[in-house]
Amino acid sequence: GQQLNQSPQSMFIQEGEDVSMNCTSSSIFNTWLWYKQEPGEGPVLLIALYKAGELTSNGRLTAQFGITRKDSFLNISASIPSDVGIYFCAGQENSGGSNYKLTFGKGTLLTVNP
Amino acid sequence: DGGITQSPKYLFRKEGQNVTLSCEQNLNHDAMYWYRQDPGQGLRLIYYSQIVNDFQKGDIAEGYSVSREKKESFPLTVTSAQKNPTAFYLCASSIDPGWLNYGYTFGSGTRLTVV
Repeated sequence: GQQLNQSPQSMFIQEGEDVSMNCTSSSIFNTWLWYKQEPGEGPVLLIALYKAGELTSNGRLTAQFGITRKDSFLNISASIPSDVGIYFCAGQENSGGSNYKLTFGKGTLLTVNP
Repeated sequence: DGGITQSPKYLFRKEGQNVTLSCEQNLNHDAMYWYRQDPGQGLRLIYYSQIVNDFQKGDIAEGYSVSREKKESFPLTVTSAQKNPTAFYLCASSIDPGWLNYGYTFGSGTRLTVV
């Protein structure tokens, strides 16, 4: 099955730095979602995006739905140690109503040094 | 509180044995999914079910089996045919399989180790 191209694969940053990660696809997506997974737990939804060009914030997190509908990015400002985890992008392809599952990126592993 | 529960959290299996992972949800969601997670490989879809008594293979279904006899439950059996079963297994659900604007709700996972 198709996977989204998510980058970077991992990041090591100092507390207080800003973080940016992105996902790209060869096909058009109707919905973009960003999840965070903490060690030993399931992913939790952070932000959902529904329209091309949409920019949405959730606290220190900001995500955008690309205008081509083939990409999305997530920014984290002023990182703190509890931001550590794996961040996944996910989306639902525009396939005429026949697609019944999300497509996931491989994740970005974020490490924050205090 | 509504949610999705996976049990057990940790599971050890001897080679050659079948083992069943439990997934229960009280969210009244129609669709349920099983994913396998290995380091650096993201989430790989094993099976999914859009409705009771129906399910479809995902990308890595070989060596696994599922059932969906009740809306709330979607157990996954890892059979002895699965050659490398040690992994973290995630169950998820969604309100409507055709409309995923709210994404999935995930369980907290089961870590299976073959000893």
